[in-house]
Amino acid sequence: GAGVSQSPRYKVAKRGQDVALRCDPISGHVSLFWYQQALGQGPEFLTYFQNEAQLDKSGLPSDRFFAERPEGSVSTLKIQRTQQEDSAVYLCASSLMEQGWPRSPLHFGNGTRLTVT
Amino acid sequence: QQPVQSPQAVILREGEDAVINCSSSKALYSVHWYRQKHGEAPVFLMILLKGGEQKGHEKISASFNEKKQQSSLYLTASQLSYSGTYFCGTGPSTFNAGGTSYGKLTFGQGTILTVHP
Repeated sequence: GAGVSQSPRYKVAKRGQDVALRCDPISGHVSLFWYQQALGQGPEFLTYFQNEAQLDKSGLPSDRFFAERPEGSVSTLKIQRTQQEDSAVYLCASSLMEQGWPRSPLHFGNGTRLTVT
Repeated sequence: QQPVQSPQAVILREGEDAVINCSSSKALYSVHWYRQKHGEAPVFLMILLKGGEQKGHEKISASFNEKKQQSSLYLTASQLSYSGTYFCGTGPSTFNAGGTSYGKLTFGQGTILTVHP
């Protein structure tokens, strides 16, 4: 079946603009993660959903970052009043969690590359 | 705290072997390994769990030393397709929120592997 789909693939925003990044996980995957990946670095955890419940948002850098998954499938990461330091690749990952944590692998999307000018 | 990977980069010729290490200052309960090619999604390779349980690809092996809080990924008889950046992701035991268990990975900074013909 299809993998994790993210859109847009690239986004250029002027400083101060709001952006919305979309993640369409693999059908049936209950767990959904957002990660931020700076150039040349490993992914850094932002937030976690189990179905529609946001169980962990400890990694969100500021209150300008907001994520939702209202129906337990598609998720949106919104960044308000973008700053240059927000420039990064935003990765979404989902997992069926069929064997529970930590036995279940993450399936990543290709990410959205955000550039704030 | 982010795990530390070594080496930062490796250059090989086809057929040569490589070892990538991942060390943590915290007690490890699980280690996930992923490979990411430029501009693409990280792809799952291997999960290692406390107690010796493993899950992953047949052609890639790994070890997990709980006492030393280290994991190593062994790439033997390398192929051109092995090129990419390898990340280890370490996890604590499960978190609990509202009666629901989940986990999250903290990734290392990555090891760039280049295989030449």
